[in-house]
Amino acid sequence: DGGITQSPKYLFRKEGQNVTLSCEQNLNHDAMYWYRQDPGQGLRLIYYSQIVNDFQKGDIAEGYSVSREKKESFPLTVTSAQKNPTAFYLCASSIIQGGFTEAFFGQGTRLTVV
Amino acid sequence: GQQVMQIPQYQHVQEGEDFTTYCNSSTTLSNIQWYKQRPGGHPVFLIQLVKSGEVKKQKRLTFQFGEAKKNSSLHITATQTTDVGTYFCAGNQGAQKLVFGQGTRLTINP
Repeated sequence: DGGITQSPKYLFRKEGQNVTLSCEQNLNHDAMYWYRQDPGQGLRLIYYSQIVNDFQKGDIAEGYSVSREKKESFPLTVTSAQKNPTAFYLCASSIIQGGFTEAFFGQGTRLTVV
Repeated sequence: GQQVMQIPQYQHVQEGEDFTTYCNSSTTLSNIQWYKQRPGGHPVFLIQLVKSGEVKKQKRLTFQFGEAKKNSSLHITATQTTDVGTYFCAGNQGAQKLVFGQGTRLTINP
C-alpha cells in the first residue's frame, strides 16, 4: 500500500528540547517537502529536497534542520532555537519528471510545546 | 523570493451559491496546482494547470490559469456542504519548490 507516513501524529515537547518528526514514503518520489501550518493559516515551506544528500531552505528554515540520507526518508528536527514551534507539520513528496509535480501529503504531526 | 497570494482568506456562502478564490504570483509559474484540505485533514491534490490560458473542469469546479501564467482561479458552481474546507493554490517555478498560497477557507450554511 503506497503512501507517505508521518509519525507521531501528536507530539509534546518541553521548552529547550530538540524533537525529530519522521516522514517516510514508498512512492519512489524524488522530491520531499516539509511545511508548517498554524491555525487558520496557509502552508509555509520549511525545507525541501530534490535528491538524496541534498536539500534547500524554504521560507522559514530558522530553528529547523533536516537530512536526506535515503530517498524514502526526510526527517525534520525542531531545535530549541525555534522560538514558537507549536504548529501542525506536514510532509509531502512528489515526482520530478515531465513537469508534473502533484504533491502527496502525509497525515501530519501536531507538535505542542508544554 | 517567489510569493503566492490568495484571496479571499475566508468565504461564507449559502448552500447553492457560487464560490470563487483567486491566486496571484509575483513571478511567472511553470505550473499551478490546487489542493483541498478538509477540516482536521491534510491537503489533497485537485488539479494541475500548465498551459497559458488553460481552463479545466471537474464537475462543478472550474479552474483557470492566466495568460501570463501569474494568476489562477477556482470557481465552484452551486456549492454543496461537501465543498467545505480550505482551498489552496500552489505555484511551481520550475525548481521543484512548491510554494502555497495562504488558502481560502470556505464555510457553507445549509
